[in-house]
Amino acid sequence: DTAVSQTPKYLVTQMGNDKSIKCEQNLGHDTMYWYKQDSKKFLKIMFSYNNKELIINETVPNRFSPKSPDKAHLNLHINSLELGDSAVYFCASSRIASNQPQHFGDGTRLSIL
Amino acid sequence: GNSVTQMEGPVTLSEEAFLTINCTYTATGYPSLFWYVQYPGEGLQLLLKATKADDKGSNKGFEATYRKETTSFHLEKGSVQVSDSAVYFCALTQGGSEKLVFGKGTKLTVNP
Repeated sequence: DTAVSQTPKYLVTQMGNDKSIKCEQNLGHDTMYWYKQDSKKFLKIMFSYNNKELIINETVPNRFSPKSPDKAHLNLHINSLELGDSAVYFCASSRIASNQPQHFGDGTRLSIL
Repeated sequence: GNSVTQMEGPVTLSEEAFLTINCTYTATGYPSLFWYVQYPGEGLQLLLKATKADDKGSNKGFEATYRKETTSFHLEKGSVQVSDSAVYFCALTQGGSEKLVFGKGTKLTVNP
């Protein structure tokens, strides 16, 4: 019973390519998130969607484009990949309230060659 | 802006030792406070939370108390186990926003 699942788990690709990461949650939550974890384990939010609408958009390059086809899915498309995009990307979901815990997927490790 | 500062690691302890990981925060108003744990190769899991001053969150032998006067939320466990080896993150959300602001994480290694 995977609650938040993201695919793929590992992604190795060349600089300049375009790639997508998919995320799905079966918890019935209405809010989903993308976080980036760098090589020093520092976590920073990138985007948040509530009921398919973008509600948080941190200062992320516009090469990153999230898409939410429905409230159970939030995908992340990245154009023109750069070396600095190498990181672990985590999807999360929660109910819409700041005191609600967020549930995280296992992460997608993106490595740019 | 909001921020979280937690003690730098790594922390190495022997089994059954007492654990404290310090966490302080900067925020306006009354944030909700969380501790998340990340085991090797996995995503983050909620360990415990507290949503108002003087609340104590507890889970799996871990505890943390929301101290408004010292803006702190220190994590403690009386007797650590090898299975507690992980990275621990202190985090907050500010009322009106679901954005989690994380500390830099503290890596804990417990040796048998």
